[in-house]
Amino acid sequence: EDQVTQSPEALRLQEGESSSLNCSYTVSGLRGLFWYRQDPGKGPEFLFTLYSAGEEKEKERLKATLTKKESFLHITAPKPEDSATYLCAVHGFGNEKLTFGTGTRLTIIP
Amino acid sequence: DAGVIQSPRHEVTEMGQEVTLRCKPISGHDYLFWYRQTMMRGLELLIYFNNNVPIDDSGMPEDRFSAKMPNASFSTLKIQPSEPRDSAVYFCASSSTGVGANVLTFGAGSRLTVL
Repeated sequence: EDQVTQSPEALRLQEGESSSLNCSYTVSGLRGLFWYRQDPGKGPEFLFTLYSAGEEKEKERLKATLTKKESFLHITAPKPEDSATYLCAVHGFGNEKLTFGTGTRLTIIP
Repeated sequence: DAGVIQSPRHEVTEMGQEVTLRCKPISGHDYLFWYRQTMMRGLELLIYFNNNVPIDDSGMPEDRFSAKMPNASFSTLKIQPSEPRDSAVYFCASSSTGVGANVLTFGAGSRLTVL
């Protein structure tokens, strides 16, 4: 069974203070690792898909990286509008399911 | 496109009552997913459809839960009878060629409270 563990559960940063969120996973053949952002009262919104170890993708202040066992979401010089819950999910071979972690709740303090 | 549309946004009901949640996927998307989100367990897949046919319902917690997709533009998730432990946010999502090739687009969710 595919499993995703995210850490930390919550993270508070000062505006401009860079950090990283972790996503550890076990999957029977990785077809893709996904990062989503979720704002309060809304559905998750897609950020990135990573397919193979060594791959990196960037969007504004966010950069996602992937190894064979984990993924990191690096946030550089964050702003208050980056405050949200960040969800990691994996898609394994043999089905069309996305298995999600419980997320990291990120708060950026002005 | 207006995105994935869910209704109602909020539902408060009493234990034992029937609850019906509705979803309109993005036009042209051939996969539809129902997820449930709680603080303790995060997002859990309940069931998904491909071309209106249920493919995997192994995540449906018990027989009290049922889902239908009578056509490409409408799906329902029904709970009968409802229990307090069913309280959660239920999300519908759709994609065009399955999870691997295209991303899921989620609706805004239906927050269910069972008293």
